[in-house]
This record gives sequence, structure tokens and C-alpha cells, in this order.
Amino acid sequence: KAGVTQTPRYLIKTRGQQVTLSCSPISGHRSVSWYQQTPGQGLQFLFEYFSETQRNKGNFPGRFSGRQFSNSRSEMNVSTLELGDSALYLCASSLTSPSGGDTQYFGPGTRLTVL
Amino acid sequence: AQTVTQSQPEMSVQEAETVTLSCTYDTSENNYYLFWYKQPPSRQMILVIRQEAYKQQNATENRFSVNFQKAAKSFSLKISDSQLGDTAMYFCASTQGGSEKLVFGKGTKLTVNP
Repeated sequence: KAGVTQTPRYLIKTRGQQVTLSCSPISGHRSVSWYQQTPGQGLQFLFEYFSETQRNKGNFPGRFSGRQFSNSRSEMNVSTLELGDSALYLCASSLTSPSGGDTQYFGPGTRLTVL
Repeated sequence: AQTVTQSQPEMSVQEAETVTLSCTYDTSENNYYLFWYKQPPSRQMILVIRQEAYKQQNATENRFSVNFQKAAKSFSLKISDSQLGDTAMYFCASTQGGSEKLVFGKGTKLTVNP
């Protein structure tokens, strides 16, 4: 079974631009979560989607948004990029269950650099 | 707010020896799950082991095992017969009840020396 895929793998943008990152979950997985990883803040939860609905949201400004499609693929968008948005963005998918706690499987990440 | 603390920023071990990585967490939930993930230099996050909080038995996966102390809110990872390929950042993480959201510790950088 193919793993979680993320595109693009690397991205360079300038301040003020916007960016869209894509994530395709493992086949059959219905939940997709996004995380931001930086040297200073570590791994921080952005949001989680299940059946096209945002189920959880982390403490990030409204410039960060996401969505999930009917095939469970997900995109996240960052508008008006700032230097501090430079990070590794990780997507993870899981089967999900009502009680939560299903194992999340991570993609290889998208390395975003904002100049 | 749920927190996860890894008190050892860096550790090293000789090949074939045993090493234990520490993790403590703070939660008010009764239903939660605990994980150890490793992130090698490739940056790919890989699941090492998963523990369900309602199970008293410690999880094991080949050379990896945990010491889960629920009352102390402690969840340490033991790696036996360390191999060079175990060199990586190790992250402890927990979920909240009814959610897939993971709260991560800051990580422990483990180096296995030949």
C-alpha cells in the first residue's frame, strides 16, 4: 500500500505571497492532519480533517487554512507569507475511529522557505 | 493544556548496548494514547511504538519497548541492541480523548556510535 504523499517536496516563496500544499493519504484513511515543524517551536498541530470537515484546529492565525476533498486528499493554504512561516510541513493520515488515537502515518513533508 | 516533556535533548549509546529515553506528559483525560516516533536525517517521521492508556501491559515492538507508568504519567522508551540505523530524533507524543491531534515533546537526539 502506498504511503502518504506530499507535493511539492520543496518550495521557495517570497514574503507576501501565498502557497498551497497538497497531501494524499494512505488509501482507505479518512483523517488527515497537518503539522508545522520548526527548530524553535518544534512540532505544532495545525488542523485535522475528517470527511471533508475540520475536526480540530491548532493555535495558528487565520492565514493558515485547509480543506479536504471527497477522496480524502487534503490541501493547506498559507496566505500573506511571513519569514516565520519557513518550516517543514508534515501531513499525516489515519483510519480514525470515534474514540480517536488511531496511529497517524506521516508523509515526507514539504520544506517551505520564505525569503 | 496537554503537555509532553522530554528532558534529554541529546543522548548517545554504543552499538549493541541498551538506551532509555524519558518522557513525561500531563493530561486530565482518561482516554488517551501515547506514541514514540523517530525522525532520521531524511526527516521522514516513522512510528516506533504505540501505547493505549487503558492497557496496563507495556507495548513492545522487537527491540523497542516502553515502560508506561500511568500514575506517574511517565512513558519511557527502551531500545535494546542499539543499531547504527537507530540514530535519529525521537519524539514522544500523546493524543487527547476522541481526537487524532498529537501533542509532541521537543525530541531527543539519539546517536548510536560504532
